Amino acid sequence: EVQLVQSGAEVKKPGESLRISCKGSGFTFTIYWIGWVRQMPGKGLEWMGIINPADSDTTYSPTVEGQVTISADKTINTVYLHWTSLRASDTAMYFCVRRAYGGNSQVAFNVWGQGTMVTVSS
Amino acid sequence: SYVLTQPPSVSVAPGQTARIPCGGHNIGSKTVHWYLQKPGQAPVLVVYDDDDRPSGIPERFSGSNSGNTATLSISRVEAGDEADYYCQLWDAGSGHYVFGTGTKVTVL
Repeated sequence: EVQLVQSGAEVKKPGESLRISCKGSGFTFTIYWIGWVRQMPGKGLEWMGIINPADSDTTYSPTVEGQVTISADKTINTVYLHWTSLRASDTAMYFCVRRAYGGNSQVAFNVWGQGTMVTVSS
Repeated sequence: SYVLTQPPSVSVAPGQTARIPCGGHNIGSKTVHWYLQKPGQAPVLVVYDDDDRPSGIPERFSGSNSGNTATLSISRVEAGDEADYYCQLWDAGSGHYVFGTGTKVTVL
């Protein structure tokens, strides 16, 4: 079965660091781009960035660039989303997504992880 | 940056057709995808490449895209179709992905 399995919910304090993960299975991990999508409480979906696990080529949304780091370990089919200093405004559900196979960037996100809830509160 | 605009809500009676617009400048020249999200769940792709359906998605879901509006249509609406619906595309100008603002579909 093709799936993305994300790490569990986190509760952190402002200023703390955090890394959440997304592990792929059931498909050849290195031929698919993997992205992250944020959903703040009661709000819509927001694309954060995307990485090619084969070579770690990464593109970020201007909204989050410099605030987070996306990385990949292709040896264990896992992509990460990392913060060095969390803020209360980072409180959100985070989904990882697999971009459909294809030679261009226009293809859809056809596999979604179950989501990781991150709560940042003092 | 490219903006996709959706109405916050659409209401439809059971058995009727719901049409959810997604507005963007010259969106007809771009490739649009649609997702539904039920409360507490991850989104699910329901239409890709403007008008194709993934396997397992009912034929009641269809898409179109022309001019400045893409549209997701849900025919013979059922209570189980109540969800938030999002359009999405890749903007070649910026190299970034964009989601629409989302539409909550309510079945009366």
